[in-house]
Amino acid sequence: GAVVSQHPSRVICKSGTSVKIECRSLDFQATTMFWYRQFPKQSLMLMATSNEGSKATYEQGVEKDKFLINHASLTLSTLTVTSAHPEDSSFYICSASRPSGENEQYFGPGTRLTVT
Amino acid sequence: AQKITQTQPGMFVQEKEAVTLDCTYDTSDQSYGLFWYKQPSSGEMIFLIYQGSYDEQNATEGRYSLNFQKARKSANLVISASQLGDSAMYFCAMREGLNTGNQFYFGTGTSLTVIP
Repeated sequence: GAVVSQHPSRVICKSGTSVKIECRSLDFQATTMFWYRQFPKQSLMLMATSNEGSKATYEQGVEKDKFLINHASLTLSTLTVTSAHPEDSSFYICSASRPSGENEQYFGPGTRLTVT
Repeated sequence: AQKITQTQPGMFVQEKEAVTLDCTYDTSDQSYGLFWYKQPSSGEMIFLIYQGSYDEQNATEGRYSLNFQKARKSANLVISASQLGDSAMYFCAMREGLNTGNQFYFGTGTSLTVIP
């Protein structure tokens, strides 16, 4: 079964509003979670690495004031798209790795954001 | 330089036939992991197979096998006995180092279509 959940799976919002996306690891504690963005028919683009209890590490070109990431607990990371605009419409996916042992990175089911 | 290169944007295969999806990688690390993920139209990322840089044998998982050629830095995915449900995007990925908290680098993906 799924080990990483995302909520909501789909959201439509108006331009200028903010949207929060949650990523939860369901049966393990994830000290590190990752946030990706994916445009249609393209690869996953890493936006930021979310570390529990510390500030997220953003990739070059990703506006940290626009894409706020909070990793307040070992099972929850949130991505808030602030003052969303139509160009922010995309598929956002989070992932998490177990602290030790398994090599696999577990992905959430993704959130499709549409900004009108 | 690209960390992961997938040179086949689209591939077609006849049902029940085998197909090879190409992947080459670039790293100077001695320790790394190679992954293949399947992404159907629903968007979820499904883990298929993992190969560690120190693994001497090619990884296999059911109908999936990874043709690991370390000297050539290639990690091709072989799908045997293709099924209609195999139609999806396939992404090759690499994680450098042994820390499961390290980021993944993804290729641009290959769209596989299985023909009845």
